[in-house]
Amino acid sequence: QKEVEQDPGPLSVPEGAIVSLNCTYSNSAFQYFMWYRQYSRKGPELLMYTYSSGNKEDGRFTAQVDKSSKYISLFIRDSQPSDSATYLCAMSAEGYALNFGKGTSLLVTP
Amino acid sequence: GAVVSQHPSRVICKSGTSVKIECRSLDFQATTMFWYRQFPKQSLMLMATSNEGSKATYEQGVEKDKFLINHASLTLSTLTVASAHPEDSSFYICSARTGGRGEQYFGPGTRLTVT
Repeated sequence: QKEVEQDPGPLSVPEGAIVSLNCTYSNSAFQYFMWYRQYSRKGPELLMYTYSSGNKEDGRFTAQVDKSSKYISLFIRDSQPSDSATYLCAMSAEGYALNFGKGTSLLVTP
Repeated sequence: GAVVSQHPSRVICKSGTSVKIECRSLDFQATTMFWYRQFPKQSLMLMATSNEGSKATYEQGVEKDKFLINHASLTLSTLTVASAHPEDSSFYICSARTGGRGEQYFGPGTRLTVT
């Protein structure tokens, strides 16, 4: 079993929809959780960073971490065509390298 | 946010030549830098982790004599692909982190094509 599981999609939604992206993990030592957005042929861009459990909101983006269920989510409100990209979840324990999900490909259609 | 640069963004070289890729943290000191490679439509594959002033730690299956990593300062790490071959063609991305808290910032990537 991979340490981080993420549905690769593709996920297609109409403009303005709420997008829900999710990852599950198996290592209870993970305490740093991140979401990255990657456009084709570009490096990943850090969108959200959360330490331990809880919610974090930044503009149209909300990240949730449920450590008891080993489940993290990213919500995108009022999705835009420019949000079309691959979204990678990533997590790590203190001092260790990130473990990435495979990425979910999102397409927001006008 | 923190900015990480990479140079060059794209390189095409002949088989057998060596290629050096630079990774710089522009507005913060990176105690740890990471090098990844990514094939089309696949996720990032960690190649090695380097701490400033120390030897890099390579992931299993990554040849340390082929992928030479130097982390000479808190803002600069280099990856040298020695005697590159066509199978080394890939997208190489570096990232940088301060401390052990987990936030990692990625460079824009370098596309290497070996002919």
